[in-house]
Amino acid sequence: SQQGEEDPQALSIQEGENATMNCSYKTSINNLQWYRQNSGRGLVHLILIRSNEREKHSGRLRVTLDTSKKSSSLLITASRAADTASYFCATDGLPSGGSYIPTFGRGTSLIVHP
Amino acid sequence: KAGVTQTPRYLIKTRGQQVTLSCSPISGHRSVSWYQQTPGQGLQFLFEYFSETQRNKGNFPGRFSGRQFSNSRSEMNVSTLELGDSALYLCASSLVGVEAFFGQGTRLTVV
Repeated sequence: SQQGEEDPQALSIQEGENATMNCSYKTSINNLQWYRQNSGRGLVHLILIRSNEREKHSGRLRVTLDTSKKSSSLLITASRAADTASYFCATDGLPSGGSYIPTFGRGTSLIVHP
Repeated sequence: KAGVTQTPRYLIKTRGQQVTLSCSPISGHRSVSWYQQTPGQGLQFLFEYFSETQRNKGNFPGRFSGRQFSNSRSEMNVSTLELGDSALYLCASSLVGVEAFFGQGTRLTVV
């Protein structure tokens, strides 16, 4: 079962606009990660935020984490057509066998129109 | 540094057959995880191998199995294929088990 759930499921914007995606999760986490997936291809790691961090930036990406609400958001500023992809949040789930297995949500499909 | 390599990229099999998928992790990475991605179920964790040992297993039937070799390369096998096994199978490797690097995936179609 999914630990993280992204919202909205789909987002369509114009180039230059900002895109905000949200992720909610159910249990306590150590880390939360965001990934991007271009159509039918592998996932690309975007950013990791630890449970003791509230905000993190990487280029045009801004991630926030609110552990009290068990939610995270990914903001892409000044979006480009090349940002068109699906975006997934992954929480570290429960420890098992000495490791944490990232558990993925169903993703937000972002379309950026040129 | 070479990324995660999955072979083959595309595969078409018939119901009842078996299939083996291969994954070569990034050099130095000892953890390899496998995921199944379908439109209906999203990304589902299959299993994780670390130093040739299965460290974690997802909720999949015994028809799904895997192994890891001493060079960290991993294979997964699906026996007695069903139509519902059609999916994108993704392999990910990691150094310390947190940030995962994914391959391009193997698209399996069962007819």
